Amino acid sequence: AQSVTQLDSHVSVSEGTPVLLRCNYSSSYSPSLFWYVQHPNKGLQLLLKYTSAATLVKGINGFEAEFKKSETSFHLTKPSAHMSDAAEYFCVVSRYSSASKIIFGSGTRLSIRP
Amino acid sequence: DAGVIQSPRHEVTEMGQEVTLRCKPISGHDYLFWYRQTMMRGLELLIYFNNNVPIDDSGMPEDRFSAKMPNASFSTLKIQPSEPRDSAVYFCASSARGSAYNEQFFGPGTRLTVL
Repeated sequence: AQSVTQLDSHVSVSEGTPVLLRCNYSSSYSPSLFWYVQHPNKGLQLLLKYTSAATLVKGINGFEAEFKKSETSFHLTKPSAHMSDAAEYFCVVSRYSSASKIIFGSGTRLSIRP
Repeated sequence: DAGVIQSPRHEVTEMGQEVTLRCKPISGHDYLFWYRQTMMRGLELLIYFNNNVPIDDSGMPEDRFSAKMPNASFSTLKIQPSEPRDSAVYFCASSARGSAYNEQFFGPGTRLTVL
């Protein structure tokens, strides 16, 4: 069985400050992990994905996520927030090497203060 | 590749009418997913197909909802009769079995409003 928990439904940061969006997962199998971003009135876009090759994953727009197996976490970070980062972010888990349904977190809305 | 294509982008209809949403997956992808997104319930998986065959439709809310995939390049989600509570954004996504990481590629969505 698999599940994913996004610990914050809403995060607000000032422009230029670091961003941290938290995600914990559980999986009976080796997981594939993703972060998707959804801007207002848009579809979902893949931000980054975890591969077993590296625990620190770099994505688009300066975002990173670190896979920590001992903590079952896959938190998303960015050193300096930009106004254009305001969006909804979804943490997602699936079974590695099994293209079946994936489990979405409930989402974290990121707001950026000028 | 044009990505996942959905049509229409917006649909406004009256309660009781039939609604058909359409999706064209990315060429070569053999998994197709239908999702519904609302403020109250977030993103919900309705059904997914593998090689045009429905695999899991446990998320389909009621018999009023049906989905088909007659070929590898086309799928429909139909609601008959529609109700105001069906108002939502419906997303289609596709993925490739050949990808070990099975990321899904989403279409832009269809915003459905049932009056």
